[in-house]
Amino acid sequence: DTGVSQDPRHKITKRGQNVTFRCDPISEHNRLYWYRQTLGQGPEFLTYFQNEAQLEKSRLLSDRFSAERPKGSFSTLEIQRTEQGDSAMYLCASSLDGFSTEAFFGQGTRLTVV
Amino acid sequence: GQQLNQSPQSMFIQEGEDVSMNCTSSSIFNTWLWYKQDPGEGPVLLIALYKAGELTSNGRLTAQFGTTRKDSFLNISASIPSDVGIYFCATQGGSEKLVFGKGTKLTVNP
Repeated sequence: DTGVSQDPRHKITKRGQNVTFRCDPISEHNRLYWYRQTLGQGPEFLTYFQNEAQLEKSRLLSDRFSAERPKGSFSTLEIQRTEQGDSAMYLCASSLDGFSTEAFFGQGTRLTVV
Repeated sequence: GQQLNQSPQSMFIQEGEDVSMNCTSSSIFNTWLWYKQDPGEGPVLLIALYKAGELTSNGRLTAQFGTTRKDSFLNISASIPSDVGIYFCATQGGSEKLVFGKGTKLTVNP
């Protein structure tokens, strides 16, 4: 296992389109997190899963955003009707249960909305 | 909400110099984490601190958990060009989420 994998690495989309990102966590990790990072800022928490259950969502996660982890393995993050303000790096991280402070991050998906 | 203040925002140093940066908050925390992020990559955990006053090293990096539990410091000794990047402090902001500072951008001139 080579770590947390995210796909695609880069995505350019037109305003109003829907986009979906995928995250494959480290195989034995049952916790999976999504963060968003804009230029000049640190990552900001969006949501997290324990196995397939989505346990917490940030207020940043508007109703245009939805995340799933249907089988407790990979996760998808969908953004509907994208806006220019959605342009950011979307980071996925995973950890073992009870070790959330030692989460491993993926390389991120860079989204540009034009 | 919880806010972590990192300083300085950026640093320009010569190779071989030592570096110090810090992170402060008005809130008390039980955990302090330091990450490094290279351009186009995700953050990588460098050091995790779990106890007030704790001093932990990872190679040329040393981090300390402030005794007031409101701050943390990261030192890099004898900097090298590959130390270039953005260094973030982070803590656990209630529940399982991590709260990050805005980062310190380090540039090392050979």
